[in-house]
Amino acid sequence: DVKVTQSSRYLVKRTGEKVFLECVQDMDHENMFWYRQDPGLGLRLIYFSYDVKMKEKGDIPEGYSVSREKKERFSLILESASTNQTSMYLCASTTLRGGVGGYTFGSGTRLTVV
Amino acid sequence: RKEVEQDPGPFNVPEGATVAFNCTYSNSASQSFFWYRQDCRKEPKLLMSVYSSGNEDGRFTAQLNRASQYISLLIRDSKLSDSATYLCVVNTGNQFYFGTGTSLTVIP
Repeated sequence: DVKVTQSSRYLVKRTGEKVFLECVQDMDHENMFWYRQDPGLGLRLIYFSYDVKMKEKGDIPEGYSVSREKKERFSLILESASTNQTSMYLCASTTLRGGVGGYTFGSGTRLTVV
Repeated sequence: RKEVEQDPGPFNVPEGATVAFNCTYSNSASQSFFWYRQDCRKEPKLLMSVYSSGNEDGRFTAQLNRASQYISLLIRDSKLSDSATYLCVVNTGNQFYFGTGTSLTVIP
């Protein structure tokens, strides 16, 4: 069964901390994505990657960075966490660069910044 | 203008009812379309792809209208377990665009 695993289900961090969210997929997918989901705003794309060491900004990259050193792992980094980054973070992967084929999502990380 | 627009609801319907959701998209070059289901505090999961000719999966029917640029999801004979948020997803080029989701509650 296809799987995307996010390292933590719930996280509480302090303002100013550097935060790492890890995502691993076991499907040999080329494409990986990080979203945040907030009530009334839906899913918003932070960053995505089509290949190892490759990254592209999504709609809301400010305050975030990413790392893709291995094909199966895509990390989201909050350089200096702020309270407005409290959110549900969802990682996803897909095998196709667009076209037919949907996303597989991880179970999400609910981050609270205090 | 948003890439994908969806009525957020909520839709509250009795068991056994038929309910339909629509989703409009702005880019006529969009290539593929999906409906996802998201339960409370869980990740979205693929419910069904939407094909040009329309497609059915049990009680669920998805349709695509390219001329008017919308997709729809019809749920027949609603069950309590259908209560969830339904997200439409549109793929355009290398990007996937999500609607904000439509909340459905099926009432006993």
